[in-house]
Amino acid sequence: GAVVSQHPSWVICKSGTSVKIECRSLDFQATTMFWYRQFPKQSLMLMATSNEGSKATYEQGVEKDKFLINHASLTLSTLTVTSAHPEDSSFYICSASGTGNTEAFFGQGTRLTVV
Amino acid sequence: AQSVTQPDIHITVSEGASLELRCNYSYGATPYLFWYVQSPGQGLQLLLKYFSGDTLVQGIKGFEAEFKRSQSSFNLRKPSVHWSDAAEYFCAVVGGLTGGGNKLTFGTGTQLKVEL
Repeated sequence: GAVVSQHPSWVICKSGTSVKIECRSLDFQATTMFWYRQFPKQSLMLMATSNEGSKATYEQGVEKDKFLINHASLTLSTLTVTSAHPEDSSFYICSASGTGNTEAFFGQGTRLTVV
Repeated sequence: AQSVTQPDIHITVSEGASLELRCNYSYGATPYLFWYVQSPGQGLQLLLKYFSGDTLVQGIKGFEAEFKRSQSSFNLRKPSVHWSDAAEYFCAVVGGLTGGGNKLTFGTGTQLKVEL
């Protein structure tokens, strides 16, 4: 299957700083990327959907200004958590899907800890 | 809107025993169904998927699942569980395939514990 690489796999940052998480499709062109958030022992909650070259579509309740998503190329999408606070600590997972794909491929996730 | 229910939060089985994880979906038309497995601190790995055709689908690692429209179910099964199968399992549904914008709705997951 196709490979999606997410970086970093874990990050610790100070409260008030911003953190950028990258999601790359390594061997296919990802026309659509999805960003999920997962709290401990819970399911994945979709945060936003991004199509290459367009603004991301955010799910209800997700702050656009806090979780900035950029999908400027067919192989890279980034999620920036701005002015991070301890409550933003979570596991963030991306997935990517290309034209003609009938499934989305997941990155390995990023564990964000805000101290 | 589609939804997925996984009734069992935790399941414990003995190694070598058979396994069935339940998944019920809600969707007005033919759904597209997936089972994923997640090890601690890891992303999701696709076990199998159902789009159409044979209602019994085979996946990786010896897993299979059966789509039953009459019961709105897509239960995951394995004849003999291995200790390495201990993980979190998620059932997911897509309401329709657009070839690039398929938004998954996940169930709450079932944590599988395997006793040696």
